[in-house]
Amino acid sequence: QSVLTQPPSTSGTPGQRVTISCSGSASNIAIRAVNWYQQVPGTAPKLLIYGDHKRPSGVPDRFSASKSGTSASLAISGLQSHDEADYYCAVWDDIVSGWVFGGGTKLTVL
Amino acid sequence: HLVESGGDLVQPGGSLKLSCAASGFTFSDSAVHWVRQASGKGLEWIGRIRGKPDNYATAYGVSAKGRFSISRDDSKNTAFLQMNSLKTEDTAVYFCSSGQGAIRNHMEVWGQGTTVTVSS
Repeated sequence: QSVLTQPPSTSGTPGQRVTISCSGSASNIAIRAVNWYQQVPGTAPKLLIYGDHKRPSGVPDRFSASKSGTSASLAISGLQSHDEADYYCAVWDDIVSGWVFGGGTKLTVL
Repeated sequence: HLVESGGDLVQPGGSLKLSCAASGFTFSDSAVHWVRQASGKGLEWIGRIRGKPDNYATAYGVSAKGRFSISRDDSKNTAFLQMNSLKTEDTAVYFCSSGQGAIRNHMEVWGQGTTVTVSS
């Protein structure tokens, strides 16, 4: 059972906007910066967002993220077929003194 | 660019040492993380070793404490994951990850992974 809770799955149609939530606690999301990763099955994860809302070079601005209290969310606008992947949130947790990942959310583009 | 190696089939109770070779960035400044993923499961952080500016500090996840250790050889731009007392539940793809510049301590760049199978 993950320290961070994500919905197991979500879906959307091309062009739509979808959001993925990540629920944590006072020892992680509330006080630490959240990262988001995209993983196409069979490949390595890719960093989408770091520091709660910052995009690394090369990540399109269709991907955005925010945080409030003990929850964070990733938004994908203008959904495209190649956005179909698993998405993970990650954050440092002060109680376990280590990084923790959410359980992952499988995004299906219908 | 990161390349993992050393994955293999090992018996329960055995040991294995994975390597992560880096190129294309200032390796000595960057943290190296190890993350694993069992088949069909999510990502699990194993641990990390920071770079020279952060005094090579290490930290480990719950499943790794006491059995796994992370080290590095900056002269060879390589990091290592030593795994002892392996269990069947350690079977997974093992990734190394690192960062550059302002996000040198983050999991930014990832290797392709190496497969560890623990079975008798």
